[in-house]
Amino acid sequence: GEDVEQSLFLSVREGDSSVINCTYTDSSSTYLYWYKQEPGAGLQLLTYIFSNMDMKQDQRLTVLLNKKDKHLSLRIADTQTGDSAIYFCAESETGANNLFFGTGTRLTVIP
Amino acid sequence: DAGITQSPRHKVTETGTPVTLRCHQTENHRYMYWYRQDPGHGLRLIHYSYGVKDTDKGEVSDGYSVSRSKTEDFLLTLESATSSQTSVYFCASAGTADTDTQYFGPGTRLTVL
Repeated sequence: GEDVEQSLFLSVREGDSSVINCTYTDSSSTYLYWYKQEPGAGLQLLTYIFSNMDMKQDQRLTVLLNKKDKHLSLRIADTQTGDSAIYFCAESETGANNLFFGTGTRLTVIP
Repeated sequence: DAGITQSPRHKVTETGTPVTLRCHQTENHRYMYWYRQDPGHGLRLIHYSYGVKDTDKGEVSDGYSVSRSKTEDFLLTLESATSSQTSVYFCASAGTADTDTQYFGPGTRLTVL
């Protein structure tokens, strides 16, 4: 499968911004996703970006894509304790039928 | 979110026993998937289905089989469970294969002793 890499852990203080990074190897990636997994639950889609976009903003979430460096980031503004979860980056060449996931980044928000 | 349920939610079994996990979705989604989640590996695809009776292997299919006799149900079977199959198993479904996303079930934690 394709390689999708993330750092395993991130800790931030409540109210600060969090930036979760992801790198991928497939130059044909068309869709790039961010999923959130809360304890004991399945994955929930947060947002996704097409490869022809550089940035996407959705309320407190900002996704940045550097296609040249194959680098994707998720910025969470004003991080709250409810944002504590594991965040997965995923990429696909063709859409939902062929997703490759990163290892996940566990975000801990310190009150 | 799509209505996807998994059963059982937790199971403890012994090495060598057969185990079947069930995934049920109420969205009439065509595509269904089984993943396993292990520390340091993220989610890895075991098998997927692109229609009733149409299935294919994923990245880590050895030791697993699947069946899909109805649109709403996708079964994952471990014919003879091994300790290396201790994991959390997630089912997902998708309506289309191109721009849609996958919707995930809550997971099944399987422990093989």
